[in-house]
Amino acid sequence: EDKVVQSPLSLVVHEGDTVTLNCSYEVTNFRSLLWYKQEKKAPTFLFMLTSSGIEKKSGRLSSILDKKELFSILNITATQTGDSAIYLCAGSTRNYGGSQGNLIFGKGTKLSVKP
Amino acid sequence: EAQVTQNPRYLITVTGKKLTVTCSQNMNHEYMSWYRQDPGLGLRQIYYSMNVEVTDKGDVPEGYKVSRKEKRNFPLILESPSPNQTSLYFCASGEQPQHFGDGTRLSIL
Repeated sequence: EDKVVQSPLSLVVHEGDTVTLNCSYEVTNFRSLLWYKQEKKAPTFLFMLTSSGIEKKSGRLSSILDKKELFSILNITATQTGDSAIYLCAGSTRNYGGSQGNLIFGKGTKLSVKP
Repeated sequence: EAQVTQNPRYLITVTGKKLTVTCSQNMNHEYMSWYRQDPGLGLRQIYYSMNVEVTDKGDVPEGYKVSRKEKRNFPLILESPSPNQTSLYFCASGEQPQHFGDGTRLSIL
């Protein structure tokens, strides 16, 4: 059975701290690993990772994938209160023709950043 | 403006009364999907569609139906809703990135 496991489930830090969120996956016909941020409403896309060892960066956020060990990390440096959210990791399967199939989400990491 | 529009946003109804949650996108995406989100269980995919008339089951399809007669619309149908389908539902469009609708909160009494 496909599964995605995130850790920790919740985390409380202070502004300025650096955090690392973990995501391990077991997904058959794996296509890509995705990170989303969810505040009060719908998830918003952060990163898509398909290749091992290539870091993706966006401002203070970065992420990398290890396809041999089947995990990914999301780093946030110099955290701000606006980073408080649930961070979701998802594994995507590959369907026939190579297109996206099923998306399997982890339960999320709830990050709280205190002033 | 790129949009995924779900309706209704909130619904309280009773067991067994058929309901449909509509989803429409204006981005000409081929891929669309439905999720439910429950505390402690995260987001789980119900159904997805790779194109018109092509749909497939996600992780939790039981009790739901979908149809994809046109590219822009992907309604979610609960033929006989039950209380365990009380949840927050999201429609999403596109692949990478997926664009999510604002969610529909369903309460089945």
